[in-house]
Amino acid sequence: QVQLQESGPGLVKPSETLSLICTVSNDSLSGYYWSWFRQSPLKGLEWIGHIYHNGNALYNPSLESRVNMLVDTSRNQFSLKLTSVTAADSAVYYCARAPPYMMRASDVWGPGTRVAVSS
Amino acid sequence: DIQLTQSPSFLPASVGDRVTFTCRASQGISSFLAWYQQKPGKAPKFLIYAASSLQGGVPSRFSGSGSGTEFTLTISSLQPEDFATYYCQQLNNYPFTFGGGTKVELK
Repeated sequence: QVQLQESGPGLVKPSETLSLICTVSNDSLSGYYWSWFRQSPLKGLEWIGHIYHNGNALYNPSLESRVNMLVDTSRNQFSLKLTSVTAADSAVYYCARAPPYMMRASDVWGPGTRVAVSS
Repeated sequence: DIQLTQSPSFLPASVGDRVTFTCRASQGISSFLAWYQQKPGKAPKFLIYAASSLQGGVPSRFSGSGSGTEFTLTISSLQPEDFATYYCQQLNNYPFTFGGGTKVELK
């Protein structure tokens, strides 16, 4: 059964870069979109963007200038970088799988990782 | 961006109740809608896509309907494990967006 696990620092300083990795177990990256979401009490659930297994990515326009996603098929991982973070970027971050045949809805999610932005 | 409005925000209910809640889109999204269930401290769990297609393993007491701008999620007989918050997500236009959620709580 496919499993996803987010990893990365739980604390990031303002103006620095938030970097997270999602490791996929028991499945290949091929044929799927791989998504990042975040959730905070202020903004609720927010789609950050997704990346196809071939590296093509689409981002939320509200974050596009600060976001970059990559896939590493050799390690079965995909990653998120968010630059110039502020307190408003504090949230629980989730990675998820999004099959094209399910309209890119996210059928499998990682447990989430809490990221705080603070000096 | 497409706005999704879920109602009610809170739904007091009892075990065995039939409950229905609504997700309204600010513009037509055909059937490009998914539903998720989330419990405190957990990731969302995928329930339904294409407005009415049940994900494998999801109990048949869950059903979805609707198209265009109005959608509903129904739980035919509420079970103790169904007390949670439910979110809709539109997949018709980028950026994908979520509703604010309906929290089903014990009456």
